[in-house]
Amino acid sequence: DAKTTQPNSMESNEEEPVHLPCNHSTISGTDYIHWYRQLPSQGPEYVIHGLTSNVNNRMASLAIAEDRKSSTLILHRATLRDAAVYYCILRTTDSWGKLQFGAGTQVVVTP
Amino acid sequence: DAGVIQSPRHEVTEMGQEVTLRCKPISGHNSLFWYRQTMMRGLELLIYFNNNVPIDDSGMPEDRFSAKMPNASFSTLKIQPSEPRDSAVYFCASSLSSGTHYEQYFGPGTRLTVT
Repeated sequence: DAKTTQPNSMESNEEEPVHLPCNHSTISGTDYIHWYRQLPSQGPEYVIHGLTSNVNNRMASLAIAEDRKSSTLILHRATLRDAAVYYCILRTTDSWGKLQFGAGTQVVVTP
Repeated sequence: DAGVIQSPRHEVTEMGQEVTLRCKPISGHNSLFWYRQTMMRGLELLIYFNNNVPIDDSGMPEDRFSAKMPNASFSTLKIQPSEPRDSAVYFCASSLSSGTHYEQYFGPGTRLTVT
C-alpha cells in the first residue's frame, strides 16, 4: 500500500487558517486521497477526499498538487473544536474502501 | 440516523475470559470494518466485511480473535481467551461502498481492559 508522510504536530491560533501537509510520493494513478480526523475520546470522522482536482466542503478544503505526490488539507478558520489528530490516507480503488491509518498530525488550537 | 452503535462502551475482564464486542452498522451500508487502537500501535484495521462476507482478515492478530457478520445489521468481534495485551479501544465502522464514495462512519468505540 502506498504510504503517506505527515508532520507529527502543528499549532494554530483560533480563527486562523491551518494548512496540513501530506506527502504521498508513491501514489498510484487510481488512489484516492482521504482525510479523517479524530477528536479526543471519539472515533475517527470523515473530513474530505479527492482524486485529482481540489475539493471543498463545509468542513475543509483539499488542495492536491498537480503531480499528486502531495496534498494539503486547509481548515479555513480554526476553532477550539478542530483540535484533533488528522489522518491523510490513500485508498486504492480495488480495496472495498479499506483504509490504513498512519500516525497523523496532532493539531493544537490555542485561543 | 443513530449512527454506528457499539456495545458495550466499556469492558473490564480478567485474563482468560471470553470477550464479545458488538456492532450495529448504519442501515443501508454494505461494508463493515473492525479496528483496534492503542498508544503503541495506533489505529489498526483488523478485518472487514462486504455484504456480510469477510474480505480481508489479515489484520487479525492471532487465532484468539474471530469476527462474524451473520446479517447486514449486526457484527461481533470475539476474543477467546483474552490477554492483557488485548487492552485497547476497538472501533467498528461502516460505509456504503459504491462508486467513488467510500466514507467510513465510526462508532464511539469499546474500551477493553484485560487485567
